[in-house]
This record gives sequence, structure tokens and C-alpha cells, in this order.
Amino acid sequence: AQTVTQSQPEMSVQEAETVTLSCTYDTSESDYYLFWYKQPPSRQMILVIRQEAYKQQNATENRFSVNFQKAAKSFSLKISDSQLGDAAMYFCAYLDSNYQLIWGAGTKLIIKP
Amino acid sequence: EAGVAQSPRYKIIEKRQSVAFWCNPISGHATLYWYQQILGQGPKLLIQFQNNGVVDDSQLPKDRFSAERLKGVDSTLKIQPAKLEDSAVYLCASSLAPSSGRAADTQYFGPGTRLTVL
Repeated sequence: AQTVTQSQPEMSVQEAETVTLSCTYDTSESDYYLFWYKQPPSRQMILVIRQEAYKQQNATENRFSVNFQKAAKSFSLKISDSQLGDAAMYFCAYLDSNYQLIWGAGTKLIIKP
Repeated sequence: EAGVAQSPRYKIIEKRQSVAFWCNPISGHATLYWYQQILGQGPKLLIQFQNNGVVDDSQLPKDRFSAERLKGVDSTLKIQPAKLEDSAVYLCASSLAPSSGRAADTQYFGPGTRLTVL
């Protein structure tokens, strides 16, 4: 069975700085999807970025980018130029072959003004 | 394009009462998911529909929870009777899957319903 691990329960960063959130996963599949979702205090789950395992190029969405290391089964999220609105819980998730998401425990990101 | 709609946004009930939540997925999305998220934890899948059929309800407490998706569009999730431990946010999500194209696998979430059981 697939598992997703987020080893950082909480991270903090100064506004305008860069922060990296870690995620590792375990799978025997060769083709899969990985996601980062953001959940602000409103509790709505918002898609941040998506990575297809068959693509070697790291996904990028504006200030958000990933470092996808398939052999190491690592999928970290880098947030550049951190803003106060980035404060939230960030969840890493793996999409299995039944179209179900396997979730990490989440990392709480605190932005210091 | 309209997102996933959920109502109500908040609900407070006494234990042993019943409650129902409604979800309207993104137009054309075949697969609909209900999640339960307890504060401080990741979402837990309760039930997955593909069109109007149940794909997986293995984690749905069937003695008190029920869900339906009539006509393969809107869905309702009901709890009867509610317990204190049902206090959580109930998230609805939808995706195009299993349509062709890997981007179809992405799940989009509604704003959630925050349930408090007293």
C-alpha cells in the first residue's frame, strides 16, 4: 500500500523569504500523480500544484515549485517570496490507481511579518 | 467555471439528532468524494461515487452514515444519529476521472461544512 510522509509538523518563514516543505512517499507503481494542497483557516482544500510521475520536469505555478526526485520518492514544495496569505496547512497527497488520494499528515506553515 | 458547492457551511446540533449535507460537483465531473476531516488531521475518505454508483464506502460508518448520489450529479451525506465524535469538517470533492487524460484525476474541493455536535 502507498504511504505519504510529511516529517515537518510546523515550519515558519519570514515574509518575502523562501521555504521548502518536505514530502516522501512509498509506492511500487511507476506512473502516478502527486499533489500539494493548501488548507487555510477557512478549511477549504485548495490545489497548489500537481506533478505527473512520468514527467521529469518539475512542475511550477508562479511562486510555487516542486523538487520531484522519483528515484528517492521525494516531492518537496518550494514557496518563493512568501506572503502572509501563504499561511496555512499544506498537505502532500498521492493519487492511487483507484483515483483515491493518500494524504500526508500536513505541515503548518507560519509566515512571520 | 463554477466550483464545487456545499451547504450548509456550518451546522451545530445536539447529539442523537440527525443532519444532512449537500454537495453539487463541478459540471461534467463523474467522480464525487465525501471526506471527513477532524481538526489537526488529514482528510479521511468516507465514500466515493462514480456517476451514481458507489465505488468505495469501506470507511463509511454505515450504522449512522448514509450517502446517495441520485442521477449522478448532486449528492447528500446524512448522519443519524450524530455522536460527539462526528464533530469535523465534511469536505466534498469531484474529478473528471476516470475520463482519459491524466489531468482528469485532479480532485477539486468545495468549501466544506463544519459540523459541531454538542
